[in-house]
Amino acid sequence: DAGVIQSPRHEVTEMGQEVTLRCKPISGHNSLFWYRQTMMRGLELLIYFNNNVPIDDSGMPEDRFSAKMPNASFSTLKIQPSEPRDSAVYFCASSLSAGDGYTFGSGTRLTVV
Amino acid sequence: TQLLEQSPQFLSIQEGENLTVYCNSSSVFSSLQWYRQEPGEGPVLLVTVVTGGEVKKLKRLTFQFGDARKDSSLHITAAQTGDTGLYLCAGLNTGGFKTIFGAGTRLFVKA
Repeated sequence: DAGVIQSPRHEVTEMGQEVTLRCKPISGHNSLFWYRQTMMRGLELLIYFNNNVPIDDSGMPEDRFSAKMPNASFSTLKIQPSEPRDSAVYFCASSLSAGDGYTFGSGTRLTVV
Repeated sequence: TQLLEQSPQFLSIQEGENLTVYCNSSSVFSSLQWYRQEPGEGPVLLVTVVTGGEVKKLKRLTFQFGDARKDSSLHITAAQTGDTGLYLCAGLNTGGFKTIFGAGTRLFVKA
């Protein structure tokens, strides 16, 4: 298995632009998580899907952030409009079920200028 | 709000030394995981501990879950330069689906 695949690896965009981050979880994993990592705040859970359904989005910072999981093999995290304070590394992770250990992707490093 | 505090935040040691890092909380967790993260990559799962008092060994790494399932420790024997990285503990809440991550211990092992 290729693991959790995220794209792009790096994204540099101007303030106000729309940004879409993509994730392909491990086949057969029922749970998918989006995290954001910064030096100041560490790893923060943004949203959790179980069987493609959003279960907890309480970590999504504000309405500018949205996430979808149209099928078991694909998820997106969208920021519109982006702001400099959104600059961070965004990780997608999947697991067999919510209580199991996570497999993380390599992350997308987002820089908003 | 459940919080996990890790200590120390940063540790720089010489190759061959032993070390212990800690993960503490005032909350009870269903299980606790340890991850290691290298620069430019995502965290990689090392171990999951579930039972209070449980001890697990992974080569030179020894993981312990506190009796009350509120804390954990990671002990590394004879550290190697390849052990360098960010060590994260993560607790699964008693509701069963939300994992809380600590801020991590950044370990640097010098040759």
